[in-house]
Amino acid sequence: SQKIEQNSEALNIQEGKTATLTCNYTNYSPAYLQWYRQDPGRGPVFLLLIRENEKEKRKERLKVTFDTTLKQSLFHITASQPADSATYLCALPNQAGTALIFGKGTTLSVSS
Amino acid sequence: NAGVTQTPKFQVLKTGQSMTLQCAQDMNHEYMSWYRQDPGMGLRLIHYSVGAGITDQGEVPNGYNVSRSTTEDFPLRLLSAAPSQTSVYFCASSPARDSRGYTFGSGTRLTVV
Repeated sequence: SQKIEQNSEALNIQEGKTATLTCNYTNYSPAYLQWYRQDPGRGPVFLLLIRENEKEKRKERLKVTFDTTLKQSLFHITASQPADSATYLCALPNQAGTALIFGKGTTLSVSS
Repeated sequence: NAGVTQTPKFQVLKTGQSMTLQCAQDMNHEYMSWYRQDPGMGLRLIHYSVGAGITDQGEVPNGYNVSRSTTEDFPLRLLSAAPSQTSVYFCASSPARDSRGYTFGSGTRLTVV
């Protein structure tokens, strides 16, 4: 079965810096990969989807890359703000594409 | 408001009791899923459905049943609650194979004593 690993449980950075989160996966070649944000006590919120034929996708201060050779996605938040503090989750479709499997998440803390 | 509605928000059960967690969506989404979230374990897939009458098991299905009689509703049944089922449960829905991602409910916090 597929395995998803997010590189660290916690990441602390200063306001204005770029946060980079890593998602690695094994035993699988997904057609796409998704990133979600989760705030304490709330459900995850969808941020971005990147497909296997896309190298990079951007949305405002967010940038996602997808390297199918390395089996890795990088999630960048540029000019980070304290409001970006949250847990970020990487998710891949199951083999049939009928449900999502999630990594354990990385908790980002941005200090002012 | 359009979205995924989960009830109840909080529940305390005694070991051995049964209950149903409700999930409803009004976006005409085909795909629906149930997850549990535990500290340090992330979101784990319990059961999922690709349409009315079709369900399948996820990563951790034991102790749970689901059914999907309508597109809108996807209830999760705990057959005989155990302390190991203490968790936060999330329901999510998505248009089939779509790029808009999944929409999650606000969760049900369940404690089994």
